[in-house]
Amino acid sequence: KQEVTQIPAALSVPEGENLVLNCSFTDSAIYNLQWFRQDPGKGLTSLLLIQSSQREQTSGRLNASLDKSSGRSTLYIAASQPGDSATYLCAVGRVGGGNKLTFGTGTQLKVEL
Amino acid sequence: DGGITQSPKYLFRKEGQNVTLSCEQNLNHDAMYWYRQDPGQGLRLIYYSQIVNDFQKGDIAEGYSVSREKKESFPLTVTSAQKNPTAFYLCASSTNPGLAGGEQYFGPGTRLTVT
Repeated sequence: KQEVTQIPAALSVPEGENLVLNCSFTDSAIYNLQWFRQDPGKGLTSLLLIQSSQREQTSGRLNASLDKSSGRSTLYIAASQPGDSATYLCAVGRVGGGNKLTFGTGTQLKVEL
Repeated sequence: DGGITQSPKYLFRKEGQNVTLSCEQNLNHDAMYWYRQDPGQGLRLIYYSQIVNDFQKGDIAEGYSVSREKKESFPLTVTSAQKNPTAFYLCASSTNPGLAGGEQYFGPGTRLTVT
């Protein structure tokens, strides 16, 4: 059974700092990996999708990498801003059809002025 | 605007009552999903549908039922058989359900409280 872990559970950084969020998964046979952002009481916003054949994806100040062999993904946020404060969720797409996702429990990020 | 809508945002019910949560999408996506989110836990898959008139159980389907009569709509019924129905419910949709790589898009969620 696929398990997804995100460490740390919470992180507080000063504005302007570059930071890395970590995601690890136990089964390297995945279809894709998706990073989401969730604000309190809201739905999920998709940030980046990495296909299993890809190593990284970039969108603006965000860069996500994927290393299937080691079961790891990282989300790099450059020049963090207070507006980046949210919970970041990692989800792994399962092999076997249906595009089903297995989620981690998230990293709660606070960017302070 | 294209997107996914869920209604209502908040829902309160008495124990023993069935309740139906609405999910509508205008993204022309074939696949739709229902997840449940509880504090301190990752999202868990309840049901999913890859095409109209077809759906499959997810990881925690007991006490829930769904229908998929239209491509745009995927309502979820929380029945009285669900032991712990109080949670935040999220609906999602995606393209290419049978292939790798379909990006999932989420609605704003419905917070259900059962007392």
